[in-house]
Amino acid sequence: NAGVMQNPRHLVRRRGQEARLRCSPMKGHSHVYWYRQLPEEGLKFMVYLQKENIIDESGMPKERFSAEFPKEGPSILRIQQVVRGDSAAYFCASSPPVPGTASHEQYFGPGTRLTVT
Amino acid sequence: GQNIDQPTEMTATEGAIVQINCTYQTSGFNGLFWYQQHAGEAPTFLSYNVLDGLEEKGRFSSFLSRSKGYSYLLLKELQMKDSASYLCAVTDFSNDYKLSFGAGTTVTVRA
Repeated sequence: NAGVMQNPRHLVRRRGQEARLRCSPMKGHSHVYWYRQLPEEGLKFMVYLQKENIIDESGMPKERFSAEFPKEGPSILRIQQVVRGDSAAYFCASSPPVPGTASHEQYFGPGTRLTVT
Repeated sequence: GQNIDQPTEMTATEGAIVQINCTYQTSGFNGLFWYQQHAGEAPTFLSYNVLDGLEEKGRFSSFLSRSKGYSYLLLKELQMKDSASYLCAVTDFSNDYKLSFGAGTTVTVRA
């Protein structure tokens, strides 16, 4: 049973370019969460999605960041016009569709390390 | 929001015991988690506490005191492979899916 997959593992972008980060949840999981980890800081919640629905995007910056989890295919975190401050590790987690226990079973992917030059 | 504090770094000798403390402040506490994260890898789940007391799982144990807003992770019989970052995270009732993490404690095990 493959775990949560993220790609790419490392991504380098110049300022102003777009970054697309992909996350494939574990088989049978329909809930996806994105977290950001800045150097020397803890993971910070960004967004919680279910298939075709954004449930909570309270941790997403208001501009340039968007996320989707389409009916088919991986979840995508998209950062437009990247700036140096976007350099971080972005982790995706997934959980099975059991209401009220989502946080108990979040399985994390290996992360994408974004470097903005 | 939540305020979660844990020490930045700890060093211990192989075979020893280390205790990593975590204090938190949150309204509507709904559970506390410990994760292990090796450098460059995914955080992996270690334990979950929602009631007061000690949960033991092999060499690792986790303790919770809700009245004190306090938890610790106890690592026994340390092995070199236990060198990693240990993350404390809490959730609250209003958003039980949203893990709020501390900055993590880097544990270095020396021979």
